[in-house]
Amino acid sequence: DQQVKQNSPSLSVQEGRISILNCDYTNSMFDYFLWYKKYPAEGPTFLISISSIKDKNEDGRFTVFLNKSAKHLSLHIVPSQPGDSAVYFCAASGGEFGNEKLTFGTGTRLTIIP
Amino acid sequence: GAVVSQHPSRVICKSGTSVKIECRSLDFQATTMFWYRQFPKQSLMLMATSNEGSKATYEQGVEKDKFLINHASLTLSTLTVTSAHPEDSSFYICSARDSASIQYFGAGTRLSVL
Repeated sequence: DQQVKQNSPSLSVQEGRISILNCDYTNSMFDYFLWYKKYPAEGPTFLISISSIKDKNEDGRFTVFLNKSAKHLSLHIVPSQPGDSAVYFCAASGGEFGNEKLTFGTGTRLTIIP
Repeated sequence: GAVVSQHPSRVICKSGTSVKIECRSLDFQATTMFWYRQFPKQSLMLMATSNEGSKATYEQGVEKDKFLINHASLTLSTLTVTSAHPEDSSFYICSARDSASIQYFGAGTRLSVL
């Protein structure tokens, strides 16, 4: 039962354009969401998070949007840079799992085309 | 962001031997650390939650006698893969949770059992 889904396994975006990565969840008890970036053979790097009391959080080139009614969140990267090429995971916590466990999506491989 | 150090980054061992992996939070204290396993092209799967001063909580299907976890201090958790076999070959990643409930990840350990 995949409670956090990233339906696009891969995405290619031209350098300088906006990258939009999407994530859907099924558990309405989730109340905290995070995005991580991962390079091959490395651990994930925390990018940005959002609490369910907000619908937007911005940090530099990264903005996360949360639509609770649709159980959907997205990560916007603008402008996209070659160094952004990596696998991006969304993760969620809350509900019966408390704020300890993270449930990860399956990841989206982002490729920035120079 | 916070720094989590994981060591070793790569280990090759013979079948039947035990391997210890260390996870340290370098600039914050972590009462809770997590151990994940990642198979190729798949998401991170939580193996266990490591709590300082108490027993680890294992996810369903994870053998506690095979994957021994010790969280002896607020900055160190260890995972020992006992009597390793080729099917234990994988990428193991630890994380430490800070006071804001963000998990910061180590760089991961690639275990290859011959």
